[in-house]
This record gives sequence, C-alpha cells and structure tokens, in this order.
Amino acid sequence: TQLLEQSPQFLSIQEGENLTVYCNSSSVFSSLQWYRQEPGEGPVLLVTVVTGGEVKKLKRLTFQFGDARKDSSLHITAAQTGDTGLYLCAPGRGTDKLIFGTGTRLQVFP
Amino acid sequence: GAVVSQHPSRVICKSGTSVKIECRSLDFQATTMFWYRQFPKQSLMLMATSNEGSKATYEQGVEKDKFLINHASLTLSTLTVTSAHPEDSSFYICSAEGRGNEQFFGPGTRLTVL
Repeated sequence: TQLLEQSPQFLSIQEGENLTVYCNSSSVFSSLQWYRQEPGEGPVLLVTVVTGGEVKKLKRLTFQFGDARKDSSLHITAAQTGDTGLYLCAPGRGTDKLIFGTGTRLQVFP
Repeated sequence: GAVVSQHPSRVICKSGTSVKIECRSLDFQATTMFWYRQFPKQSLMLMATSNEGSKATYEQGVEKDKFLINHASLTLSTLTVTSAHPEDSSFYICSAEGRGNEQFFGPGTRLTVL
C-alpha cells in the first residue's frame, strides 16, 4: 500500500493569511490528485498533477508536484473562510485503487 | 458533469439491524465503484472495490460478511451493513469511476447506530 502522509494535520488561521499543505510519500506516483471535502459532503477534485516539477494554479491555490514525483504541496494565498475544509491528496487513478492521504483540516477564521 | 448520488443521506438504526446504502451514477455507467468510511476528523479509508457483475474486493481488516456489497448494474452499487453496532457508526462515501478513470464521489451517508 502506498502511504501518503500529509502535514500539518490541523491548521487554524485568519483570513488573509497564506498557508502551505504538504503531501509526502516514499513511493513514486505517475500523478497525484488534491481534493477538498466540506463537512457532511463527499470530496471534490481540485487538481491532478502529472509531470515532475509541475506547477498548477487554480485562482488562489497553487499546486506543485515534486521533481521526483513522490511529494506535492498546496499553497493558498490570502485564505478565505470559504477555503475551510479537509484537504486530501491521493494517487491518480493509474494505480489500482484510490488511497487517500492522512488529510489536513483547515479552519479559516474571519 | 458526472453525478453520483447516495441514499439515504443519513440513517439512524437500532443495534442488531441491517442497513442498506445505495450508490448510483446518474448520468454515466460505472464498471467500478468504491466504498469508503470516514470517522470524525479523519481521512477516508477505502473499504472495498465493487466491480459490476463480480465479487467485491475488500481491503485488509474489512469484514466481507458484515459489509455486503452488491454491484448488480452499471449504475448501482449497494453496501449493506449487517447486524450493525454502535462502532459501525460512521460516514460512508462511495465513488464511481467514469471514463478516463476519474473518480466521482457521492455526497455520503451518515450512519448512526444506537
């Protein structure tokens, strides 16, 4: 089983602050995905990164795939209360099954 | 976009009863569906992979006789929690695999066993 460790586990910040969430593994992945899950709902796919070193931007969110394709980061600029949720990374579906990372729970206060 | 529904969205049952949760792909066919459970403030844990027309593949530590999975059609998979106990209380989420192997998640079912 490919384990994905996310850090930090919990993050509590004020609106306007910047933050970075990490997803690390000892395994190499063909691609990595990031999801956000809000309470009482299923996860929603944010992005898939495929190429080592790739950087993708989604408005205030910047995703990076490590050069060795073992890790990824998510940076949020000027966080908003709407960014609150559980952020999950997972291997792309090229693997046999979708195993989620340990998750980072983000709380953004006004 | 592809939509996956789950029914019911929440259910409360007495200990010892069985509960069936449905997962439907509304506008696409899914050969493969996945079932997850999620405890409060934790990540999703894969329980089993459900393949249409064949037996589900269960993850290590998941009792197949307790969590019965049936994937009888390309748009429906069901998870039945048999003889439910309070420790089975959890948030159950399914996903369906569309073309291109993308996962589409249902909104989840909250099960509370009294």
